[in-house]
Amino acid sequence: DVVMTQTPPSLSVAIGQSVSISCKSSQSLVASDKNTYLNWLLQSPGRSPKRLIYQVSKLDSGVPDRFSGSGSEKDFTLKISRVEAEDLGVYYCLQGTHLPWTFGGGTKLELK
Amino acid sequence: EVHLQESGPGLVKPSQSLSLTCSVTGFSITSNYWGWIRKFPGNEMEWMGSISYSGSTSYNPSLKSRVSFTRDTSKNQFFLQLNSVTTEDTATYYCVRFWSYWGQGVMVTVSS
Repeated sequence: DVVMTQTPPSLSVAIGQSVSISCKSSQSLVASDKNTYLNWLLQSPGRSPKRLIYQVSKLDSGVPDRFSGSGSEKDFTLKISRVEAEDLGVYYCLQGTHLPWTFGGGTKLELK
Repeated sequence: EVHLQESGPGLVKPSQSLSLTCSVTGFSITSNYWGWIRKFPGNEMEWMGSISYSGSTSYNPSLKSRVSFTRDTSKNQFFLQLNSVTTEDTATYYCVRFWSYWGQGVMVTVSS
């Protein structure tokens, strides 16, 4: 299985601060169709997970542009510019290139 | 609006079978890919498997032969059965239309 190593496990931030979360995979996530199926999800407190970003850097509909994704091959980053209160929760990276699909361990974003 | 709703017992005894139903409204399960994700106590998430628009299935090898997905297209529902459960199967179970729509989740505890 592809191991997704996500860091840091937790972040304490002030509103308006920018933060980055790293996700590294044990194998390249470039698929045979040349796409890279790396997603970022957010689980807000008391809510179901919601996908924010797919294929490394494409924002889902309705996701604010203060979220951005970057990276390639085995090394990926989620950046949140100007954190807002609604951004708090647990972030996960998720690879959909290799079966079984696998998740990172999560990064809990909390208020400082 | 696509809506998914899990239902099933919240408590299952060890060695018994866990059975959950996902009822879908607003979209036909004969289109797209559907499946089950579970979140363990703590943050760990696991993809359990998928059932396609045609009914073909793909399972996480970690579940070996314990898991099966079926569906009833006339009711627009799909089902999870997990056999021989142990306390390690205690988790919140989500049904998903990959990866844009999630149910609210159902917490299942395995305990005698």
